Amino acid sequence: DADVTQTPRNRITKTGKRIMLECSQTKGHDRMYWYRQDPGLGLRLIYYSFDVKDINKGEISDGYSVSRQAQAKFSLSLESAIPNQTALYFCATSDGLQPQHFGDGTRLSIL
Amino acid sequence: ILNVEQSPQSLHVQEGDSTNFTCSFPSSNFYALHWYRWETAKSPEALFVMTLNGDEKKKGRISATLNTKEGYSYLYIKGSQPEDSATYLCASEGTGNQFYFGTGTSLTVIP
Repeated sequence: DADVTQTPRNRITKTGKRIMLECSQTKGHDRMYWYRQDPGLGLRLIYYSFDVKDINKGEISDGYSVSRQAQAKFSLSLESAIPNQTALYFCATSDGLQPQHFGDGTRLSIL
Repeated sequence: ILNVEQSPQSLHVQEGDSTNFTCSFPSSNFYALHWYRWETAKSPEALFVMTLNGDEKKKGRISATLNTKEGYSYLYIKGSQPEDSATYLCASEGTGNQFYFGTGTSLTVIP
């Protein structure tokens, strides 16, 4: 089983829909992160959390919200999806001064 | 927001050649520098985490150095092999524990 699991792996939806991306981890890490990846732009941080109910905005948080109700789970929501949110989304976890461990990504397309 | 820059953007080398690429980052509020290897259709995989000026890390044929005073890190691959073909990402972790990724160097090793 993967240490960091993202669901769904792929999603196609329409403009204006509410979407939730889930991330769960079995590594026992306190820190969890959500990134999006766009061609030519690298990974950009959306939100991050260092503990249950701790939420911090990243570089590009507008249009997104997150929830951290348990140590192992960190969900990302798009309240009203728009086409420029089409991207590859990654969840990652870490434990202090350690590398991040990434999930396999969620490919989201908004029509 | 920290500007993390990587160069070159892409690189083609012959099998057996040694190569290196650069990651530059702002030296203020620096906490750690991370290197990741990212193969197509997979998630980024951690290579190194470095914190101290002058740090050097090595894993097999891959090594990295860190200069925190001038804000750069080099990644070296000795005797490149086709399986080294991937995108190499660096990320600067600031004192607030946010991660800022570069756009990566895409390496292709030609057999």
